[in-house]
Amino acid sequence: SAVISQKPSRDICQRGTSLTIQCQVDSQVTMMFWYRQQPGQSLTLIATANQGSEATYESGFVIDKFPISRPNLTFSTLTVSNMSPEDSSIYLCSVEGPDLGYTFGSGTRLTVV
Amino acid sequence: AQTVTQSQPEMSVQEAETVTLSCTYDTSESDYYLFWYKQPPSRQMILVIRQEAYKQQNATENRFSVNFQKAAKSFSLKISDSQLGDAAMYFCAMDSNYQLIWGAGTKLIIKP
Repeated sequence: SAVISQKPSRDICQRGTSLTIQCQVDSQVTMMFWYRQQPGQSLTLIATANQGSEATYESGFVIDKFPISRPNLTFSTLTVSNMSPEDSSIYLCSVEGPDLGYTFGSGTRLTVV
Repeated sequence: AQTVTQSQPEMSVQEAETVTLSCTYDTSESDYYLFWYKQPPSRQMILVIRQEAYKQQNATENRFSVNFQKAAKSFSLKISDSQLGDAAMYFCAMDSNYQLIWGAGTKLIIKP
């Protein structure tokens, strides 16, 4: 299955600033997914990132707040913009593997103070 | 709407014993996939086992097996010979058209 390198693993940020999270995959994949996991909760899909087109956002998430780039088939970034304490969460990227399972990055724990 | 329900927020089991985690789901699709994922404190999401809905046979991976009841829309996970390293959050998920629908999770505690 694919191996995903996700950076940073954690960060503490000031409110009003932005953080960009990177995901690098060791093989070419069509779709990459970005999730948010708030403390003690399950995963919520933010958006699906396809190479060469704009990301598809889920209800409740907008491009201005969570801009996504997907410059090629192995890399994507998620930016959390104009952060507030409510954005404190774990953010995970994921790709669909060839074996009908999804592989996840190790997650980014974001704390906004 | 498609939903996945895990009704057990927390389960505990004695080391070396067997535990079953429950999951029910709802979908109108005929073709879908079901997964169990494990998330230890390291927060890495790890695939435990998967089941293709069109397959009658229950999936098995070493000490992990599922009881897939398609008509009842039930997909429980059985962990045999529980080990301390099995302690984690376990999430049930359903994949339909490349969208994963997640359950709320069950925290599994292993008692030594």
